[in-house]
Amino acid sequence: DAGVIQSPRHEVTEMGQEVTLRCKPISGHDYLFWYRQTMMRGLELLIYFNNNVPIDDSGMPEDRFSAKMPNASFSTLKIQPSEPRDSAVYFCASSGQGATDTQYFGPGTRLTVL
Amino acid sequence: QKEVEQDPGPLSVPEGAIVSLNCTYSNSAFQYFMWYRQYSRKGPELLMYTYSSGNKEDGRFTAQVDKSSKYISLFIRDSQPSDSATYLCAMSSHSGNTPLVFGKGTRLSVIA
Repeated sequence: DAGVIQSPRHEVTEMGQEVTLRCKPISGHDYLFWYRQTMMRGLELLIYFNNNVPIDDSGMPEDRFSAKMPNASFSTLKIQPSEPRDSAVYFCASSGQGATDTQYFGPGTRLTVL
Repeated sequence: QKEVEQDPGPLSVPEGAIVSLNCTYSNSAFQYFMWYRQYSRKGPELLMYTYSSGNKEDGRFTAQVDKSSKYISLFIRDSQPSDSATYLCAMSSHSGNTPLVFGKGTRLSVIA
């Protein structure tokens, strides 16, 4: 299995531009998580899905952030408009349904907003 | 107070040393405890997963959970330069496939 796939791996954009991050979870996993990692705050949950349905988006910073999961094999996290404080590493993780299942993380997207 | 506290280090030890990494937490509802290892510019990878209190051993790694003290530990025996990474503790109330609350990570360097 290829593991969780994220694209792009690096993104540099200017303030005000729209940014779209992509994630392909591990095949057969029913849970998908988006986390953000910064030096100041560490790794924090943004939103998670179960069977393509958003369950908890309380970690999404503000309305500029949106996430979708149109099918079991694809999810996007969009920032519009982007701001310099959005600069961080964004991780996608997926997990199976079992009570003992754990989360497998992708390599992350390093976002820099100038 | 953050829900999970972890000393950021950095921690530097000689090869072969025993390493002790720790986290404290405030939410007594946490029951599932994990340790992730993160190499520079990589995603976190799961090292250890324990439920409730007790010890779990896997090779050179031992995880301990003391729920009465709200304290978890990861021990690394015979540390190797390849163990140099950031170690993140994580925990959740329901199971490993629900949102995790992470410590900020401890950066470890094992010197050959």
